[in-house]
Amino acid sequence: TQLLEQSPQFLSIQEGENLTVYCNSSSVFSSLQWYRQEPGEGPVLLVTVVTGGEVKKLKRLTFQFGDARKDSSLHITAAQPGDTGLYLCAGGAGRRALTFGSGTRLQVQP
Amino acid sequence: NAGVMQNPRHLVRRRGQEARLRCSPMKGHSHVYWYRQLPEEGLKFMVYLQKENIIDESGMPKERFSAEFPKEGPSILRIQQVVRGDSAAYFCASSPPAPLRDEQYFGPGTRLTVT
Repeated sequence: TQLLEQSPQFLSIQEGENLTVYCNSSSVFSSLQWYRQEPGEGPVLLVTVVTGGEVKKLKRLTFQFGDARKDSSLHITAAQPGDTGLYLCAGGAGRRALTFGSGTRLQVQP
Repeated sequence: NAGVMQNPRHLVRRRGQEARLRCSPMKGHSHVYWYRQLPEEGLKFMVYLQKENIIDESGMPKERFSAEFPKEGPSILRIQQVVRGDSAAYFCASSPPAPLRDEQYFGPGTRLTVT
């Protein structure tokens, strides 16, 4: 059974601070996706990484896939209140079910 | 709106009733996945379907739950004789016939409350 562990579970920071969220597994995935979910809504895909060591940037968000394709991180620079939400990582294994982490709930205080 | 559509958004059922959840995938997508999310938790896979075929139902309870994706019309997740433990958010996702990177796109979900 593939498992993904996310840390931290909860994070409350002030506007302007930087933060990093981690997603770790003992299993290898063919891809790693990051989603953000707002209350009452479905997860929205932020990025997909597929190559070990890959780094992708989306404005103030930087995503990295570990060299061994077992872990990933999401770094947010100068967080803003609009970044508040539940961040989910999900491992893919080729057109099959995604394995989700339990999520990191981020709150950015103005 | 070309996104994944789910209805109803909210569904209230009494114990013992049936719940039917509908999902229309994105245009051009032929793969549908159903996930369940309990409060403050991640999503748990239930079933993966292509048109008229169940590909993987390893995450779906053996009893009371069934899913279909007919040739015409939306995918349906059916829960018979609901119990309080079925209360959760149910999400549908879709992907194209040949996804490049395992990407799945999610609908807004159906929140099921069993009273």
